[in-house]
Amino acid sequence: AQSVAQPEDQVNVAEGNPLTVKCTYSVSGNPYLFWYVQYPNRGLQFLLKYITGDNLVKGSYGFEAEFNKSQTSFHLKKPSALVSDSALYFCAVRDTGSARQLTFGSGTQLTVLP
Amino acid sequence: NAGVTQTPKFQVLKTGQSMTLQCAQDMNHEYMSWYRQDPGMGLRLIHYSVGAGITDQGEVPNGYNVSRSTTEDFPLRLLSAAPSQTSVYFCASKLQGALNTGELFFGEGSRLTVL
Repeated sequence: AQSVAQPEDQVNVAEGNPLTVKCTYSVSGNPYLFWYVQYPNRGLQFLLKYITGDNLVKGSYGFEAEFNKSQTSFHLKKPSALVSDSALYFCAVRDTGSARQLTFGSGTQLTVLP
Repeated sequence: NAGVTQTPKFQVLKTGQSMTLQCAQDMNHEYMSWYRQDPGMGLRLIHYSVGAGITDQGEVPNGYNVSRSTTEDFPLRLLSAAPSQTSVYFCASKLQGALNTGELFFGEGSRLTVL
């Protein structure tokens, strides 16, 4: 079975500071990993993904994520946070060995304080 | 580009009533799915389809029916609404097969309240 955990319900960061939103996963095979962002009253938008290759993945709006196989993590990062980055962030995983479907984490609410 | 379109955006039902949430996509995606979003629980898969005429159950299918008669449309039916089905529902689609890079495209959501 595949699963994903986002250990923090809420992350607060000051504008201009670096931000990290944490994600860990569990799969039996190799993972496909995704980050999505949801703004209020909107659908989810794709940010970035890890399929294979370079462990550091760059995505939309200056976000990046680092795949760490030994720690089974895929943390989302940004060097300098903007107030407009405030949103709900979801990590998702698919086990390429056994599953067709994505499993989503419970979400982390990011608030960037001006 | 319309992308994934969901209707209605808001709906209030009484317990026992039935209704259909509509979903249409214009990207020629083979794969379509329905999720529900509840606070603190992320998104849970209700039903999905990998092509016209093919549907399958997800994690939380009870109380919901789907059909896929065309590539474009994937309606979700609530047969007899219950308060536990109060949620925000999202339709999502993606390419299948060799062109599938995994990312889902989501609609704007349908907020359902069952009294």
